[in-house]
Amino acid sequence: NAGVTQTPKFRILKIGQSMTLQCTQDMNHNYMYWYRQDPGMGLKLIYYSVGAGITDKGEVPNGYNVSRSTTEDFPLRLELAAPSQTSVYFCASTLTGGNSPLHFGNGTRLTVT
Amino acid sequence: DQQVKQNSPSLSVQEGRISILNCDYTNSMFDYFLWYKKYPAEGPTFLISISSIKDKNEDGRFTVFLNKSAKHLSLHIVPSQPGDSAVYFCAAKAASNDYKLSFGAGTTVTVRA
Repeated sequence: NAGVTQTPKFRILKIGQSMTLQCTQDMNHNYMYWYRQDPGMGLKLIYYSVGAGITDKGEVPNGYNVSRSTTEDFPLRLELAAPSQTSVYFCASTLTGGNSPLHFGNGTRLTVT
Repeated sequence: DQQVKQNSPSLSVQEGRISILNCDYTNSMFDYFLWYKKYPAEGPTFLISISSIKDKNEDGRFTVFLNKSAKHLSLHIVPSQPGDSAVYFCAAKAASNDYKLSFGAGTTVTVRA
């Protein structure tokens, strides 16, 4: 099992550029999440999805968009990259909500200059 | 605002000794707590959890203690091993917020040979 796979691992963007961070999971999990981790800070929830076709905002959604057309995929879109979006992004999934632990991908390190 | 706080950014311990990691929270609605472990260039992985109806949960070398009145939990690793060198995140959730985990900023543990 691959688990949760994120691509790319690293990316450098110029201010104003756009990109999509890819996330796919092969565990047939219903819930999927995007987090960002800034230095010295805990993980902050950007967006989450409880199933295909359903998405909702987390704590820090501004500047991002998501879609969930399939159970497996949950891409995160940055439309107009800003230096404040320099961070490490983690995608995670879990079968159900409640107290099921999250399974994380290995992250995408994004730098916006 | 940071609802989950890990006030020690780092901890150094000798191999074979006990590692104690601390975590404080402010939200009295939190009823489930988790610890995640993270190696460099990897995503966090679930380590151990505890429900608010318990005050202790043990899994091999890892024990989590919960003191609800003090809004404090701790993770004990006994004995510490070199492979335990990692960043440890404390996380908490409330039953009313099925999807949302609040994370601490993490504690970097270094186990010295």
